[in-house]
Amino acid sequence: AQSVTQLGSHVSVSEGALVLLRCNYSSSVPPYLFWYVQYPNQGLQLLLKYTSAATLVKGINGFEAEFKKSETSFHLTKPSAHMSDAAEYFCAVSGNNAGNMLTFGGGTRLMVKP
Amino acid sequence: KAGVTQTPRYLIKTRGQQVTLSCSPISGHRSVSWYQQTPGQGLQFLFEYFSETQRNKGNFPGRFSGRQFSNSRSEMNVSTLELGDSALYLCASSLAGSGGAGETQYFGPGTRLLVL
Repeated sequence: AQSVTQLGSHVSVSEGALVLLRCNYSSSVPPYLFWYVQYPNQGLQLLLKYTSAATLVKGINGFEAEFKKSETSFHLTKPSAHMSDAAEYFCAVSGNNAGNMLTFGGGTRLMVKP
Repeated sequence: KAGVTQTPRYLIKTRGQQVTLSCSPISGHRSVSWYQQTPGQGLQFLFEYFSETQRNKGNFPGRFSGRQFSNSRSEMNVSTLELGDSALYLCASSLAGSGGAGETQYFGPGTRLLVL
């Protein structure tokens, strides 16, 4: 079975600081990995996804993530946080003969201090 | 293109009642998946429909059911509501080629269900 672990349910950074949200996955086959963002009272918006084409994936709003097979990680980063980045972020995995079913991590709430 | 739409956006029911939620996928998308989001359990997969057939199912009791119509619109039904069914129910659509693995799923805004 696939699983996703997001370290840190809450992360606080200052505006302009580096954002690092951690995600580790468990999968018996090469996975498809996703990062989604959820703003209050809204659905999920795709930030980026990894589908084995390149290990460094660039997404929207200046976010990127690096797939590291040896560490089973897919951490999300952004060089400089903006106030508008405050939201909840979810890492998810699919694949392994489960169709496009997404298995989500517990989420990380990002707070950005002025 | 219009995004995924879900109706209603908010719903209040009492224990024992049943509820039906509706989802209209992005035009041309043939797969619709449903997820439940709660503070305690997080985001959990309910089921996926493709070409009017349930293709995948999560670990939920039989009180949770769904269907898909020929135009790819989907409904989910929860019978005999329990307090624990209070949640945000999210619908997602995708093109669903090649069995769907790895495809981007586009989410709707959700239906917030409160069971009293």
